[in-house]
Amino acid sequence: KQEVTQIPAALSVPEGENLVLNCSFTDSAIYNLQWFRQDPGKGLTSLLLIQSSQREQTSGRLNASLDKSSGRSTLYIAASQPGDSATYLCAAESGGSYIPTFGRGTSLIVHP
Amino acid sequence: DTAVSQTPKYLVTQMGNDKSIKCEQNLGHDTMYWYKQDSKKFLKIMFSYNNKELIINETVPNRFSPKSPDKAHLNLHINSLELGDSAVYFCASSETGGGYGYTFGSGTRLTVV
Repeated sequence: KQEVTQIPAALSVPEGENLVLNCSFTDSAIYNLQWFRQDPGKGLTSLLLIQSSQREQTSGRLNASLDKSSGRSTLYIAASQPGDSATYLCAAESGGSYIPTFGRGTSLIVHP
Repeated sequence: DTAVSQTPKYLVTQMGNDKSIKCEQNLGHDTMYWYKQDSKKFLKIMFSYNNKELIINETVPNRFSPKSPDKAHLNLHINSLELGDSAVYFCASSETGGGYGYTFGSGTRLTVV
């Protein structure tokens, strides 16, 4: 059974810092790993999707990497802004089930 | 707009009632899902459904049932609502076969009083 862990659970940083959010998964036989953002009281917005054959994906100030062998993914946020404040969730889709398993998220606050 | 849409956005109801939440996607996806997000913000799969297969999380009470009139819709019916059913319910969709990622609706906040 896939288990996904996100560290840290919460993070508070001043504006401008570069950030690394961590996601680890127990079953390395994944189809993909997806990072989402959730604003308070809102739904999930997809940020980046890394297929199992890929090592990383980039979108603007966001870069996500995937290391299947070690069961880890990181989300790198460059030059953080107050608008980046949200909860960041990673989800690993395991081979065979086609159902993503979510971590509990990292709650990020970027203060001016 | 292409999207996954859920209705209603908010639902307040009394214990013991039966209620439904509707979900529609116009992305052409053939698999849809229901997730429950509890008070600690943990997202837990409830159902996965496509034309061929319904996968049920064994921890979901049988008071919950998905109904799919066609592949663009997956509604969630809940019978005999309990206080512990209060949560945010999310619908999502994807292409079958894995690896394509997921699109989520904006959620339905259910409050049972």
